Order: sequence, then C-alpha cells, then structure tokens
Amino acid sequence: GNSVTQMEGPVTLSEEAFLTINCTYTATGYPSLFWYVQYPGEGLQLLLKATKADDKGSNKGFEATYRKETTSFHLEKGSVQVSDSAVYFCALRVHNDMRFGAGTRLTVKP
Amino acid sequence: GAGVSQSPSNKVTEKGKDVELRCDPISGHTALYWYRQSLGQGLEFLIYFQGNSAPDKSGLPSDRFSAERTGGSVSTLTIQRTQQEDSAVYLCASSLSLDTQYFGPGTRLTVL
Repeated sequence: GNSVTQMEGPVTLSEEAFLTINCTYTATGYPSLFWYVQYPGEGLQLLLKATKADDKGSNKGFEATYRKETTSFHLEKGSVQVSDSAVYFCALRVHNDMRFGAGTRLTVKP
Repeated sequence: GAGVSQSPSNKVTEKGKDVELRCDPISGHTALYWYRQSLGQGLEFLIYFQGNSAPDKSGLPSDRFSAERTGGSVSTLTIQRTQQEDSAVYLCASSLSLDTQYFGPGTRLTVL
C-alpha cells in the first residue's frame, strides 16, 4: 500500500539554524509528494509540492527534492525563523489515495 | 475568496450520542475529503468524494461512521453512538479533481 514515514519530533532549533525533516515513502504507483504546514491555531496549508522525480518544490525558503531512487522528499531550510514554528506533514498522493505522515513539530527559539 | 469552512468548530458530546459534522467546500471543487487527526497523530483518511462517483469509504473505521455529500457541494460526516476513542479533530479538504487540497479549520470533537 501507500504510506509516508517522517522524522518524529519534536524538533527544537535556535533561530538561523539549518533545518532538515526527513520523509520517506512507499507507493504502489507514481506519487505526487507534498509538504503541508499547520501553524498554531490554524488549519493545514500546502507548503510545497513536487509531481515527478528530481522536481524541487520550494516556498518561503523551504525546499524539498523528489528523490525516486531513495523514495525520499526531505524538507530543508537554510535559516529558520521563530515564525516557522509549526507542525509539518509530509504527504503523498497516488490517484485519489492521499496519505499523510504523523507530523513533525518544529519549535524555533530566538 | 472563501475557503473551506467547517461547523461546528468545537463539539462536546456524551458517549453514545450521535453527532453531525458539516463541511462547506470551496465553490466549484469537485473532490472532497474527510480526515481525522487524533492527538499527536497524523491525518487518518476517512472518506473521499469525487463528483458524482461513488465515494471511497475505505478509511471509515467502523459502521458507526457515515458521510454524504448533497448536490456535489456540502458534506456531512455522521458518527453514531459516539465512543471516547472518537475524540479527535475532524478535518475536511476540497480540491479541483486531483489538484492541491485546501483544508478547513477542523471540528474538535470531545466525547465524554
């Protein structure tokens, strides 16, 4: 079946630190890959996505590259800010089957 | 434009009661999803509607859960004879076919 495994949190970083949140997937087909973010008190919103191998999704300084050979879609940011504190969800979609990871809570301290 | 809305935002009920949760998708979105987010857990897929096709109910955890979508727009998720383990945030999302999903704010259900 289709599934997503992402790095468990919580993750606590200082401002301007480098962020990596690992995400790997298992899919029976050829998935599209997503990162969603949930800021405190808000609903989930799409952060970035990639629809084919070697595509790089990027938004708000975050990046993730679709790696078919390692079935991974790791989220990275070079310099985090306090405002990046949120829960991050990796997800995949194969046709109408959408699967989410368990979420990783990120706290950035000033 | 208006996003996905859900009501109520919070619902507290007693064990054994039935509850109805409502989702108003973005106008024109043909696909609608329901998910459950339990404390500290990821999103659990419940059910998916696409246009006039038969819904994908494969994620519903028991026959106490049902959902319908009237007129291809508003959807209602019904939980009968609620149990304490049903306590969670229920999220609705809509999309244009297989495009990006847009999430509502969720309904927090607490079963006492």
